[in-house]
This record gives sequence, C-alpha cells and structure tokens, in this order.
Amino acid sequence: EVQLVESGGGLVQPGRSLRLSCAASGFTFDDYAMHWVRQFPGKGLEWVSGVSWNSGRLSYADSVKGRFTISRDNAKNSLYLQMSSLRAEDTALYYCAKDLRSRFLEYLPYAFHIWGQGTMVTVSS
Amino acid sequence: QSALTQPRSVSGSPGQSVTISCTGTSSDVGGYNYVSWFQHHPGKAPKLMIYDVSKRPSGVPDRFSGSTSGNTASLTISGLQADDEADYYCSSYAGSYTSVFGGGTKLTVL
Repeated sequence: EVQLVESGGGLVQPGRSLRLSCAASGFTFDDYAMHWVRQFPGKGLEWVSGVSWNSGRLSYADSVKGRFTISRDNAKNSLYLQMSSLRAEDTALYYCAKDLRSRFLEYLPYAFHIWGQGTMVTVSS
Repeated sequence: QSALTQPRSVSGSPGQSVTISCTGTSSDVGGYNYVSWFQHHPGKAPKLMIYDVSKRPSGVPDRFSGSTSGNTASLTISGLQADDEADYYCSSYAGSYTSVFGGGTKLTVL
C-alpha cells in the first residue's frame, strides 16, 4: 500500500525555522516527483514546492521562494521541506504528495496522486 | 500565480448531475492540457479524481468527468451520491514548473 507520513510540524514563532519530513513507502520512491501542498485554515489549497525524481528540477510557489527549500533522499525514501523566516501566513496543514507521472515523463507539477495525512504548522508568537 | 476561480458552493439531489467550473487564464488552464481535480472529505487526504483534463485514475468511477473550454475547466459529477458531498479543488500547471489551485467548491448533496 502506498503510504506517505508527514512529520515535523508544530508551533513556531515568526522568523524562526522548521523542517518537515515525509516518509514514503509502498512504491518505488525514486520513480516519481514529489511535492508539498498546504491547506490554509480557511480550507484553500496552495501548491508549495516540488522536486523531480532525481532532484534535477526544484520549483517553488512565489509565496515561499527564497524562504523554503525542498529536498529528497532517495536512499531513505524521504522528502523534506526546510522552512525559514516563517510568517503567520505560513500557518497551514502541510501535505506531502506523490506525483502521478513517472520519471519517464517531464516534471510538470499538477497531478498530485497520493497524499499523506498532513502535518500542522502554526506560526505565532 | 493567482488562484483559479471556482464557485464557493454547488448543490444537487441524489441521482442528478452537477458541474463545477474552474476559471483561469491563458497562462494556466487555457495554455495547457494539464488540469486536475481533487475530492477532499474533511479530515481525510485529498483524492485525485481527474488529471490531464479528462482522464480518471484507476478506481475513480466514470460518473466523474472533466473537460475544458478556453480558460475554463469543468468537473461534472453524474448520478450524485451522498458520499460525493465534499470539497472539490481544481489545479493546473501554470508554467515555469509551477502549479496553481482553485479556491475550492463545497458540494452539497441535498
């Protein structure tokens, strides 16, 4: 069974940093691009960042560019999101998502096939 | 990266059909055949229902269908069932290796 388990969320003060992790199982991790998607308290979804299967392509939403860094460790079947200079507006439930398209297709973020249950990040003083 | 526009809510009775729209621009929905739709029941992980505008992943019933016209994508759910009541989101490739979501639509089955 394909499974994604996020961890690392919590309460953090504005301006501080936090690192999210996503442990993947049940599929060949390095065959797929991976993404972070967040859901704001008002329920809207926002794509945050994605990484191609071999980390050759990394991309970010404008709202987090320069503050967040995505990475993956294929040997550990894990995805990460290093978040710095956190703001109140970063408060959200952060989901890890597996891309539908395999590595034999171009990295294009839009088809988020399997999602984890999410980890909550609250930025507040 | 402006969010795609969806109606805040739609409703229908069991057995009826409903259509949810998702309006973007020529830089996203209208520029690529890379639109997806997701079903989200509160407290659960979102589920991919449609990708590449009109394709269904394995296991998604053919009651769910997708289409586009210009800068607007649409999700149609036919033969409404109680379990279809959920939030629905569209997403589109938006160029430069980025993606954009719609604001979400709450579907109520009357």
